[in-house]
Amino acid sequence: DADVTQTPRNRITKTGKRIMLECSQTKGHDRMYWYRQDPGLGLRLIYYSFDVKDINKGEISDGYSVSRQAQAKFSLSLESAIPNQTALYFCATSGPHPKQGITSTDTQYFGPGTRLTVL
Amino acid sequence: SQKIEQNSEALNIQEGKTATLTCNYTNYSPAYLQWYRQDPGRGPVFLLLIRENEKEKRKERLKVTFDTTLKQSLFHITASQPADSATYLCALRMDSSYKLIFGSGTRLLVRP
Repeated sequence: DADVTQTPRNRITKTGKRIMLECSQTKGHDRMYWYRQDPGLGLRLIYYSFDVKDINKGEISDGYSVSRQAQAKFSLSLESAIPNQTALYFCATSGPHPKQGITSTDTQYFGPGTRLTVL
Repeated sequence: SQKIEQNSEALNIQEGKTATLTCNYTNYSPAYLQWYRQDPGRGPVFLLLIRENEKEKRKERLKVTFDTTLKQSLFHITASQPADSATYLCALRMDSSYKLIFGSGTRLLVRP
């Protein structure tokens, strides 16, 4: 079984609709991330979380919100989808919470991605 | 402003040759640099990490160099194979951050 899973894998929706993308991991990592990927722009960080009470905005958080329901689950919501949010969305995990003082290289483990199309 | 640059043009090489991909950055002082492979429609997969005090790292047919003076990393695949065809991303981690900053990637095509 995959260590990092995302649902749905593909979604087509209309402008104005609320969308939730879900991510689950079995790696036991504290840190989780949401990225979007657009052609030519690479991966851009939307939100990241170091535990259920530690959630931070990334470089492009406007129009998005997140929820860390448990250590293993991190959801991304688009409250009112717009066409320029059409993209490939990836969830990723890495190591322990920084406060544990454990040296970590921040190697990230990615899910398979969700292709979102907003019409 | 801070930038990470990877060649946006695809690199097209013959099987058996060495592929060399470049990652340049400006206005960063990374603690280390990572390289990932991404196949179409799939998530990136970690390949190699090199720290700021390391000049070179090897793993099987892969070699990474890191020149903090030139602010550049080179990623080499020796004896390339068609199965190496993918997009390769570099990512920087600042010492004070627990985030990675990704380049936009370079697509490698290895012709049989």
